[in-house]
Amino acid sequence: SQTIHQWPATLVQPVGSPLSLECTVEGTSNPNLYWYRQAAGRGLQLLFYSVGIGQISSEVPQNLSASRPQDRQFILSSKKLLLSDSGFYLCAWSPGTSWPSTDTQYFGPGTRLTVL
Amino acid sequence: AQSVSQHNHHVILSEAASLELGCNYSYGGTVNLFWYVQYPGQHLQLLLKYFSGDPLVKGIKGFEAEFIKSKFSFNLRKPSVQWSDTAEYFCAVNGGDSNYQLIWGAGTKLIIKP
Repeated sequence: SQTIHQWPATLVQPVGSPLSLECTVEGTSNPNLYWYRQAAGRGLQLLFYSVGIGQISSEVPQNLSASRPQDRQFILSSKKLLLSDSGFYLCAWSPGTSWPSTDTQYFGPGTRLTVL
Repeated sequence: AQSVSQHNHHVILSEAASLELGCNYSYGGTVNLFWYVQYPGQHLQLLLKYFSGDPLVKGIKGFEAEFIKSKFSFNLRKPSVQWSDTAEYFCAVNGGDSNYQLIWGAGTKLIIKP
């Protein structure tokens, strides 16, 4: 069966510090991968998606970047965090059998980021 | 652009009450519709989905949703809720001009009083 891992679960960082959040998927090959930010009362906002290694698409201009160095690894980064980067970050995957993907997305446990 | 509205941000019910959570979307073309649920301390997970066929979709834990194309709606229902249904419920839609992207509603926090 497929599983998705995210770490760390919680993170407190000072403004201006770098960020690296990691997401890995097991039990599937060539998944579509996604990074979301969940804001209270506002649902989920798609930040990045990837259909393959090294292929990243960004949905919103922001202080963050994403990379996919391996098939089942997706990393969310920042060089200098802002206060507004605080939030709950979710990684998700869907089967890579088609694009655009209309398949169910499966979510990781999330990372709660607080920038002080 | 596609948008999804969940009209009730907070709902409080007693056990055994009937539940209906509203979800409306803005696009008139072919859509795929989802309800996700996040129980306290757990991952966001799929509750049910509609891609095509019978507009009445049954999901896990006794939930169902009905796709009414003329009303652009996909309301979630359960005839008798339990305390364990306390969770946050999200409606999501993809299709039209956002084929790859799930557009999410703001979520509804459901609290069931024992």
